[in-house]
Amino acid sequence: ESVLTQSPGTLSLSPGERATLSCRASQSVSSSFLAWYQQKPGQAPRLLIYGASSRATGIPDRFSGSGSGTDFTLTISRLEPEDFAVYYCQQYGSSPRTFGQGTKVEIK
Amino acid sequence: QVQLQESGPGLVKPSGTLSLTCAVSGGSISSSNWWSWVRQPPGKRLEWIGEIYNSGSTNYNPSLRSRVTISVDKSKNQFSLKLSSVTAADTAVYYCARVLGLLGPFDYWGQGTLVTVSS
Repeated sequence: ESVLTQSPGTLSLSPGERATLSCRASQSVSSSFLAWYQQKPGQAPRLLIYGASSRATGIPDRFSGSGSGTDFTLTISRLEPEDFAVYYCQQYGSSPRTFGQGTKVEIK
Repeated sequence: QVQLQESGPGLVKPSGTLSLTCAVSGGSISSSNWWSWVRQPPGKRLEWIGEIYNSGSTNYNPSLRSRVTISVDKSKNQFSLKLSSVTAADTAVYYCARVLGLLGPFDYWGQGTLVTVSS
């Protein structure tokens, strides 16, 4: 099973700042089958990025993903008030599909 | 716009069986997608439970395989989850979700339903 470890656990930033979130896999993620989700309290996760760097439908271009192999990054170029949430990475290149433990982006 | 809606009891007794159904609207469960169940225990990370294709083929998380059954009802455009021999550790918000394509991320999710295991 591929274990995903996200860092940092919490990111305290102000609106307008840049957020950089990391996801490290215990084994190489095949074909960059790595996704990022945003989750707000009481809501289901929302797909942001898939294939490590492709934005899902309707996702603003301030969200970008990069990386390959075992190291992946989600970048939010300029934080908007609605971006404060928990972010999860997920690999779907091998079974079982697994998720990271999440990074909370909170208002400083 | 595909929509998914979970339904089922919110409280299950220890050693009992958790049963949930996911109704799909705005799309067909016979499309070229896998359909999954994912859960999130309070304060913990998301955990993939398993998935089913419209043919009835299934894949399960090895950690839960001995207790899980996922089935599909194409006539009702829905799929279901059964988890047996539940304990308090199975208390979680349960989500149903659609897999993008045949091997992709989860692109549509239900709103989630909290299932508590308690006597």
